[in-house]
Amino acid sequence: GQQLNQSPQSMFIQEGEDVSMNCTSSSIFNTWLWYKQDPGEGPVLLIALYKAGELTSNGRLTAQFGITRKDSFLNISASIPSDVGIYFCAGRPSNTGKLIFGQGTTLQVKP
Amino acid sequence: DTAVSQTPKYLVTQMGNDKSIKCEQNLGHDTMYWYKQDSKKFLKIMFSYNNKELIINETVPNRFSPKSPDKAHLNLHINSLELGDSAVYFCASSQDGSADTQYFGPGTRLTVL
Repeated sequence: GQQLNQSPQSMFIQEGEDVSMNCTSSSIFNTWLWYKQDPGEGPVLLIALYKAGELTSNGRLTAQFGITRKDSFLNISASIPSDVGIYFCAGRPSNTGKLIFGQGTTLQVKP
Repeated sequence: DTAVSQTPKYLVTQMGNDKSIKCEQNLGHDTMYWYKQDSKKFLKIMFSYNNKELIINETVPNRFSPKSPDKAHLNLHINSLELGDSAVYFCASSQDGSADTQYFGPGTRLTVL
């Protein structure tokens, strides 16, 4: 089946540093989404992207829909301890109504 | 008010038992989903219902049977539980079947002994 490759798998950074993670697909996606999952909770939507080239911000978070429609990245600026969690990219392929999720990026922030 | 709620939060049971997980959403959405998250945190869709009608049915064993009594509820019944069924199961909902903004419940951690 279709898969998303999300990297890096995990990150351990210092508070205040910027973070970047990305997702790539072998096929074209119509939509890219970024979710965050805190321990013991369900994923929460951070940013949704609907057009190739679209760049969207949500506070310290910025995400972009790649021009080729096969990738997306998420940046977090000036990380803080509460940014800790697992970040998932998700995409909707053009030929299906279901979301495909990446493997997740586990972020740890050292105060 | 909780938008998407699931019960129970934790479920520990023996192999071979039958169990159910309930999900309710108060968002007025038409579409609901069940996802399975394995020990490596990989999220995979299992089922999707739109207004009580099954629209997505991934390759899931027949032991798993979703039931939607109305569009605000989607329950998951699992027969003859196996060790490999141990995972966290998430319910989610969206405005309609083409909507990408899915709201997730808090998850049900199922442990099969």
